[in-house]
Amino acid sequence: NAGVMQNPRHLVRRRGQEARLRCSPMKGHSHVYWYRQLPEEGLKFMVYLQKENIIDESGMPKERFSAEFPKEGPSILRIQQVVRGDSAAYFCASSQRQLEADTQYFGPGTRLTVL
Amino acid sequence: KQEVTQIPAALSVPEGENLVLNCSFTDSAIYNLQWFRQDPGKGLTSLLLIQSSQREQTSGRLNASLDKSSGRSTLYIAASQPGDSATYLCAVRGAGGSYIPTFGRGTSLIVHP
Repeated sequence: NAGVMQNPRHLVRRRGQEARLRCSPMKGHSHVYWYRQLPEEGLKFMVYLQKENIIDESGMPKERFSAEFPKEGPSILRIQQVVRGDSAAYFCASSQRQLEADTQYFGPGTRLTVL
Repeated sequence: KQEVTQIPAALSVPEGENLVLNCSFTDSAIYNLQWFRQDPGKGLTSLLLIQSSQREQTSGRLNASLDKSSGRSTLYIAASQPGDSATYLCAVRGAGGSYIPTFGRGTSLIVHP
């Protein structure tokens, strides 16, 4: 009964490279949420996806960032041409239904460091 | 726009003390409020979820209260232990079933033996 899984746990990239972060939701969960936690700041919502659909990407930067949740496989958060300001912890959460009374289940996060 | 503030930002107490963490929010039209624990380098663990119609929730040594009209919630930890050391976050979800929670910056708690 594995929880939300994220990999890699730590990722180091040089400026200009691409970063790919993966999230496997809990079994039976079809709703995935990505958050970013910058140093000394709270978690900020980025994007909400269901299988094959982006429901809300209002928190995601318009450029360089994209997310997908294919029919098969994990959800992917992709950051192109990374900059130092992208260094943060990126958390994924999943829920069985759209967040109503449901609690969110969080993964351990991916810590991205941009050199 | 909802804003969530947590006070204090950091707290250090000796083992055995009872303590209170505070969370305030600016828009009282909330759907629910949730307290999380975050351990260093790890994800978030849900502790307590309070619906807007509820006043409090309890789990073991933890008790969370909600006063929606004043925009406040408290997390009470009884008989603190070193294992309680972590960052505690509160997250508020807006009325209408919004799925986007607003998080506070957290209270970093250290319980020393």
